[in-house]
Amino acid sequence: DSGVTQTPKHLITATGQRVTLRCSPRSGDLSVYWYQQSLDQGLQFLIHYYNGEERAKGNILERFSAQQFPDLHSELNLSSLELGDSALYFCASSAGQSTNYGYTFGSGTRLTVV
Amino acid sequence: QQQVKQSPQSLIVQKGGISIINCAYENTAFDYFPWYQQFPGKGPALLIAIRPDVSEKKEGRFTISFNKSAKQFSLHIMDSQPGDSATYFCAASTLSGAGSYQLTFGKGTKLSVIP
Repeated sequence: DSGVTQTPKHLITATGQRVTLRCSPRSGDLSVYWYQQSLDQGLQFLIHYYNGEERAKGNILERFSAQQFPDLHSELNLSSLELGDSALYFCASSAGQSTNYGYTFGSGTRLTVV
Repeated sequence: QQQVKQSPQSLIVQKGGISIINCAYENTAFDYFPWYQQFPGKGPALLIAIRPDVSEKKEGRFTISFNKSAKQFSLHIMDSQPGDSATYFCAASTLSGAGSYQLTFGKGTKLSVIP
């Protein structure tokens, strides 16, 4: 167990729907990063939150949004889902804003859009 | 250019052999180069990492070799074991945005170690 908890583990939904993925970081970690992993694109950075504030955005679609709550858990909201959004979604947490000490990934949420 | 190029895409090695995975980058602002190991159904886990002021780092059977002038780095797994069968990702990190460091990942190498 990495200490980073992601729920749900699996999600199957229809095109056009909206889903919410949840991430609880390791105890004491203030940073949460979201990544999308697909077979053709690999691991792509989506967004970074630090202590409740958005710090950086990567290849995140406008249909996607995220937030980090006062208890430091984070949610990734995916709306108007398309078949191409099917992927593994990982969150990772770290103590600070720097990845230079490594960050810890959760086990991911597998999203299937049908 | 934020890309990190990783090769080979897949690798089959005999038990006891040496597995070598290579990565190349363009962005000279990258300042931290980790390798991650991912087993099926799990998230990537940090294996070993190096900074550009060091040419080699060894931890057990795993060694990173770093060539700053060539902008290349590689992972060597000595005495490869079936339990090392996993997907390996190289990555690179740099400061971006409001104090945010992000990892740029290679596309991964699926390693299979056969008995």
